Amino acid sequence: DVKVTQSSRYLVKRTGEKVFLECVQDMDHENMFWYRQDPGLGLRLIYFSYDVKMKEKGDIPEGYSVSREKKERFSLILESASTNQTSMYLCASSSRRNEQFFGPGTRLTVL
Amino acid sequence: GQQLNQSPQSMFIQEGEDVSMNCTSSSIFNTWLWYKQDPGEGPVLLIALYKAGELTSNGRLTAQFGITRKDSFLNISASIPSDVGIYFCAGSGGTSYDKVIFGPGTSLSVIP
Repeated sequence: DVKVTQSSRYLVKRTGEKVFLECVQDMDHENMFWYRQDPGLGLRLIYFSYDVKMKEKGDIPEGYSVSREKKERFSLILESASTNQTSMYLCASSSRRNEQFFGPGTRLTVL
Repeated sequence: GQQLNQSPQSMFIQEGEDVSMNCTSSSIFNTWLWYKQDPGEGPVLLIALYKAGELTSNGRLTAQFGITRKDSFLNISASIPSDVGIYFCAGSGGTSYDKVIFGPGTSLSVIP
């Protein structure tokens, strides 16, 4: 079975803190994605990566950056967390047929 | 940009009833995906469809890829309480470089 794991299920941070969200997949997928999910707004793509060291902006990249140093790991970085970044963050990886497999999510609260 | 519409937005059904929901787009897709999300969890892939007209089952779930390639349908037979959740459709051009577009979801509640 495909497994996508995320470093934390719940995280509480303070405004201005630097936040790292880690995602690891074990299926040797090339593509990895970071989404945020908010009530009424659905899934919104933040960043994605087609290969190691590659990154592409999604629909809402402002306030975020990413890192992909190894194929299996894709990190989302909030350089200076703000309260409007309180959300559910979902990582996904995909096969060549574009089936995306999601991790369990990280619920981030910024105080 | 590309958008998907899902209907109904929410539904309340009695345990044992069959459920039908659909997903429509103004654009053509070459791949349709159906996901289920339990509260507080990530979406789980239920069914993937790759060909217009294709009908695929996964247990009590059956999904169809519309002939026009602009819609897809999901049916759940004999619903049970654990079917509760949000069902998302997603469409894609089909290659690994195509963006996957997600619908807003259909919320399903099952009354025991």
